[in-house]
Amino acid sequence: EAQVTQNPRYLITVTGKKLTVTCSQNMNHEYMSWYRQDPGLGLRQIYYSMNVEVTDKGDVPEGYKVSRKEKRNFPLILESPSPNQTSLYFCASSLSKGLAGEQYFGPGTRLTVT
Amino acid sequence: SQKIEQNSEALNIQEGKTATLTCNYTNYSPAYLQWYRQDPGRGPVFLLLIRENEKEKRKERLKVTFDTTLKQSLFHITASQPADSATYLCAHGSSNTGKLIFGQGTTLQVKP
Repeated sequence: EAQVTQNPRYLITVTGKKLTVTCSQNMNHEYMSWYRQDPGLGLRQIYYSMNVEVTDKGDVPEGYKVSRKEKRNFPLILESPSPNQTSLYFCASSLSKGLAGEQYFGPGTRLTVT
Repeated sequence: SQKIEQNSEALNIQEGKTATLTCNYTNYSPAYLQWYRQDPGRGPVFLLLIRENEKEKRKERLKVTFDTTLKQSLFHITASQPADSATYLCAHGSSNTGKLIFGQGTTLQVKP
């Protein structure tokens, strides 16, 4: 089954404790992206990747890192999480390199930073 | 800066009626717009894409229009059903980068 998976689905952590949210897709998509969703602010793009070893900032990249060493994986790293990073996070992938490509979203990761 | 706006107020309609949702954009001319459906606690699901040179696109009970003069896209669901109740998001992507900008979404409630 074609899908985007994220792990963990739920995470409660403390300020400053480094964490990684994994994202994997099995559709051989070139384009992958991370979003956060907050009430009243909608979906905002954090980082995106057009291909392996190619990443770029979205609208809200501060406090986040990403890497794209393999085509299927695009982990999101929070080196020193803070409470304002409490949010619902979505990973997405697309066959097209972001140019009008239909985005396939993962199930989401709900992160709470205390 | 590029901005994409949707009516943040929920839209309540009766089953069988046509629902119309609006997406407005300012300060740019998108090459295309996408529409997604999102159910509570789940990831958005792609519905339709319309390009700037297309006036209208249809898929089953769904119809999207794109008016570059009004800087607006309209999303219609005909013969609406309670199962259509969800939040609908519009999004614009750049033609030469991987950036994607979403509107805040409009929640549709279809009452039986």
